Amino acid sequence: AQKVTQAQTEISVVEKEDVTLDCVYETRDTTYYLFWYKQPPSGELVFLIRRNSFDEQNEISGRYSWNFQKSTSSFNFTITASQVVDSAVYFCALSEAPPLSNTGKLIFGQGTTLQVKP
Amino acid sequence: DSGVTQTPKHLITATGQRVTLRCSPRSGDLSVYWYQQSLDQGLQFLIQYYNGEERAKGNILERFSAQQFPDLHSELNLSSLELGDSALYFCASSVGQGPNQPQHFGDGTRLSIL
Repeated sequence: AQKVTQAQTEISVVEKEDVTLDCVYETRDTTYYLFWYKQPPSGELVFLIRRNSFDEQNEISGRYSWNFQKSTSSFNFTITASQVVDSAVYFCALSEAPPLSNTGKLIFGQGTTLQVKP
Repeated sequence: DSGVTQTPKHLITATGQRVTLRCSPRSGDLSVYWYQQSLDQGLQFLIQYYNGEERAKGNILERFSAQQFPDLHSELNLSSLELGDSALYFCASSVGQGPNQPQHFGDGTRLSIL
């Protein structure tokens, strides 16, 4: 069965600290896609990144970086030098590709609430 | 601004009533998705439409129905409302219909059942 687990319910850090948000997924599919979304206090969901199962290269975008490890079914998200504006709920999500699925259905984890204190 | 518009932003109604939530996708997007976010269930996929046709169904109750119109906007109809239907309902859109599509979310409609 497909499942996404974000074991960290809440994390609190002080500004400028680095923080890593964990995401572990389960799927029987060999082709799948992983996503991270941010939900700031205002409530909207903001797309951050998409990764396909064939590309295990780490990705960096400014202060954000993502580490995809197929061997451990993990897709972790690191924020370097955190800022107060990073305070939000972060969701990891999975979508499966053919033959198991060919739709855009996203399976979300429960989310990790990140609080960055000044 | 994601370009996805949801109306209304807030809706307060009573048990047993029926409501309609509306979504306009980003310009050029053909797929529309509906998700429900509640404290106990988290973010749950409800249904996907692509260019007017239903593409995928999730844990959507029989009391709920949706459609996508020729102009690509979508409506989610919730009937015989129960207290447990109180939630934030998100609409998202994407260009294509497949699993590799980043979905862009609206601001949500917060539904409160009294």
